[in-house]
Amino acid sequence: DSGVTQTPKHLITATGQRVTLRCSPRSGDLSVYWYQQSLDQGLQFLIQYYNGEERAKGNILERFSAQQFPDLHSELNLSSLELGDSALYFCASSVAPGPLDYGYTFGSGTRLTVV
Amino acid sequence: GQQVMQIPQYQHVQEGEDFTTYCNSSTTLSNIQWYKQRPGGHPVFLIQLVKSGEVKKQKRLTFQFGEAKKNSSLHITATQTTDVGTYFCAGLAKTSYDKVIFGPGTSLSVIP
Repeated sequence: DSGVTQTPKHLITATGQRVTLRCSPRSGDLSVYWYQQSLDQGLQFLIQYYNGEERAKGNILERFSAQQFPDLHSELNLSSLELGDSALYFCASSVAPGPLDYGYTFGSGTRLTVV
Repeated sequence: GQQVMQIPQYQHVQEGEDFTTYCNSSTTLSNIQWYKQRPGGHPVFLIQLVKSGEVKKQKRLTFQFGEAKKNSSLHITATQTTDVGTYFCAGLAKTSYDKVIFGPGTSLSVIP
């Protein structure tokens, strides 16, 4: 157990639907990062939050949005889902805004399947 | 934008053979990290390199950061079946604020 909790572990939904992925960072970590991992795309950075504020944005689609709440947990909202959105979505956390000597701690991921 | 490349994409080795994966960035990096992802698992942080020319060792694993801070390598001596997985490098460019960019990874298979 890495200390980063992601729910749900698996999600199957239809095209056009909306889903919410949840992440609780490791205790004491203020930064949360979202990554998408597809078979042919590797780990794609989506977005980062630090202490409730958006810190950096990657290749996140307009159909996707995220936020970090006062208790530091984060949610990634995916809407108007397409088949191509099927992927593993990882959340990672770190103490500081940037990676320190101990890097990012990843959760076990949410596997999203869009049918 | 910043790109991080890794070669090879796949590597199959006989148990006991050595293995090396190379990471190259299109821009100068502030630091580079290495992660390992076992099949069906999540990436796990291995190490971070910060200084130009830095070399760090973890048992059978040797990590190097290039003098120009644009490339890095991971070398595993005498591979074991427990080394199976995908090895990712992740670079933090000087200009990209806090955004770490992951390479596509090298998938290592070890034949017993």
